[in-house]
Order: sequence, then C-alpha cells, then structure tokens
Amino acid sequence: AQSVSQHNHHVILSEAASLELGCNYSYGGTVNLFWYVQYPGQHLQLLLKYFSGDPLVKGIKGFEAEFIKSKFSFNLRKPSVQWSDTAEYFCAVNAGPNAGNMLTFGGGTRLMVKP
Amino acid sequence: DSGVTQTPKHLITATGQRVTLRCSPRSGDLSVYWYQQSLDQGLQFLIQYYNGEERAKGNILERFSAQQFPDLHSELNLSSLELGDSALYFCASSVGLTAYNEQFFGPGTRLTVL
Repeated sequence: AQSVSQHNHHVILSEAASLELGCNYSYGGTVNLFWYVQYPGQHLQLLLKYFSGDPLVKGIKGFEAEFIKSKFSFNLRKPSVQWSDTAEYFCAVNAGPNAGNMLTFGGGTRLMVKP
Repeated sequence: DSGVTQTPKHLITATGQRVTLRCSPRSGDLSVYWYQQSLDQGLQFLIQYYNGEERAKGNILERFSAQQFPDLHSELNLSSLELGDSALYFCASSVGLTAYNEQFFGPGTRLTVL
C-alpha cells in the first residue's frame, strides 16, 4: 500500500519569503503525484500534478514542484509567498496509471504567511 | 466553486444514531469519491462509485455504506455513530476512472457526534 509523509506540519513565513514543503511517498511502482490546497473555509483545490515527463511541474498561483524519483519525493516550492497563500497544503499520490483514481493523502502542512 | 455540492454543511447528532450525507457531482462527472478528514487519521479515502457501481473501497467501516443513484448523486450512510466518527466528510467527482481525471472536491459536511 502507498503512503505519503509531509514532514512539516506547521510553517510560518513572512511575505516574500521562499517556500518549500516536503513530501515523500512510499510505493514501488508508477505513481501519479498531486498537491492540493485548502484555503480557510474552502474546498480542496488542485495546485499541480505530475504524471510523467519533465519532473519539474508548474501549477497555479506561481507554485511548482519537483519529482525526484530516487528520493521518492515531490516537494512543493514557491519563490515568494503572499499573505493569500495562507492555507493547508496536501500532497497526494495514486498508483497510476491503471490502479484507479483513489488518492492517498499526506497529513497536510498548515502554512501561515505573516503580512 | 468546484461544482460539487454537499448537504448538509453541518450535522450534529448523538452516539448510536444514523445519518445520511448527500453529494451531487459536477455536471458530466460519472465518478464519485468519499473521503473522511479527521484530526487523528488525516484525509482518508473511503469509497468510490462510477456510474452507479462501486469501484474501489478504502478504509471504510462496516457501519458505513454508500450508493450512487441513477441521477449520479451519491449518499454516504453512517450508522451506529460513535464519538470517533466526528470528522469532515468530503465528496469529490471526476469525469472518468483513471488517475488522469482530476478530482474536484466539494465543500464537505462537518459531522459532530455528541
């Protein structure tokens, strides 16, 4: 069974600081990787996804993530955070491409950006 | 707004009771997923339906059941409720079955069991 670890549970940054959130997964086969964001009081939204190809993927709102297969990692980055990035971030995987579409989520990272 | 609707938004009930949570997927989406988000277990996949048929099961308790109706809306039934069932229950929908089909999440139903 696959599992996902997000090592940072809470992160506090000042505006304009750079962000990197760690995500490691455990699964021996092909995986599809996702980052979701949950703004306060809102539903989960997809930030970006990786299926194959270029391991550096760009998502919405200036976020990007890098898939490093040898490290089983898919870290989320943003060069300069804004107060509006305050949210909870979830890394997720599924064992694609033919294993269905159920997502296994990490425990989430709460990001607070101070203005 | 993701296009996925869930009702009710909040539900407060007592131990031993039974509740039904409802989800309407985005227009055109055939697949519905249920997830549970709790403080101790995090966000966990419960069950998936595709065009009325159960397709995948995760960590869903035997006290819980779900179904997807011909109009594609889905209901999650939780019975013999326990304090530990208090959680946020999310529904998601996608067009198809594969990982290439993005899941769109609803706003969730917050269940409190007293």
